[in-house]
Amino acid sequence: ETGVTQTPRHLVMGMTNKKSLKCEQHLGHNAMYWYKQSAKKPLELMFVYNFKEQTENNSVPSRFSPECPNSSHLFLHLHTLQPEDSALYLCASSQGRDNTGELFFGEGSRLTVL
Amino acid sequence: GQHIDQPTEMTATEGAIVQINCTYQTSGFNGLFWYQQHAGEAPTFLSYNVLDGLEEKGRFSSFLSRSKGYSYLLLKELQMKDSASYLCAVIDSNYQLIWGAGTKLIIKP
Repeated sequence: ETGVTQTPRHLVMGMTNKKSLKCEQHLGHNAMYWYKQSAKKPLELMFVYNFKEQTENNSVPSRFSPECPNSSHLFLHLHTLQPEDSALYLCASSQGRDNTGELFFGEGSRLTVL
Repeated sequence: GQHIDQPTEMTATEGAIVQINCTYQTSGFNGLFWYQQHAGEAPTFLSYNVLDGLEEKGRFSSFLSRSKGYSYLLLKELQMKDSASYLCAVIDSNYQLIWGAGTKLIIKP
């Protein structure tokens, strides 16, 4: 079983749909992250949670809404997205949140907004 | 602003050696990571450098020069499975992780 699991792997949605991405980590880590990965661009950090508390929100539009019910699970709720939101959404976890430790990534959810 | 520069794409031959460069301009420095990402897969950790010099790990080595704002990843005895994107990331003075756009490495037989 992989350390960080993301579902679904692929998602196609219309601009008026509501969907959610799910991430689960089995590593006992304290920090979890959502990143957006677009072709030929650097990874964009969206949200950080440490011990279930949101510690960072990097000016992400409100159509993206994170939820962290416990240290092992992280959700990204999607609502009225735009075509430019089409990207690979990566979840990651780490032992600490100061970024000096290795990040463990999931395989990502490939989102297409029509 | 802060940024990291890496070549967009490189091509090398199986069995050869390739060096992927990363230059950075950040507000402070607290370490540098290299990650490997195969197409459709998760990025995975390769190396972490915080002091100047060369860190060797099997066929892969990573070098850092803090005074020059420069790092490279050296891959020896290239194999077809090394075809992937290689991501450079720097921890700045606020412990924020700054990412490069990645280098896509294509290995040809």
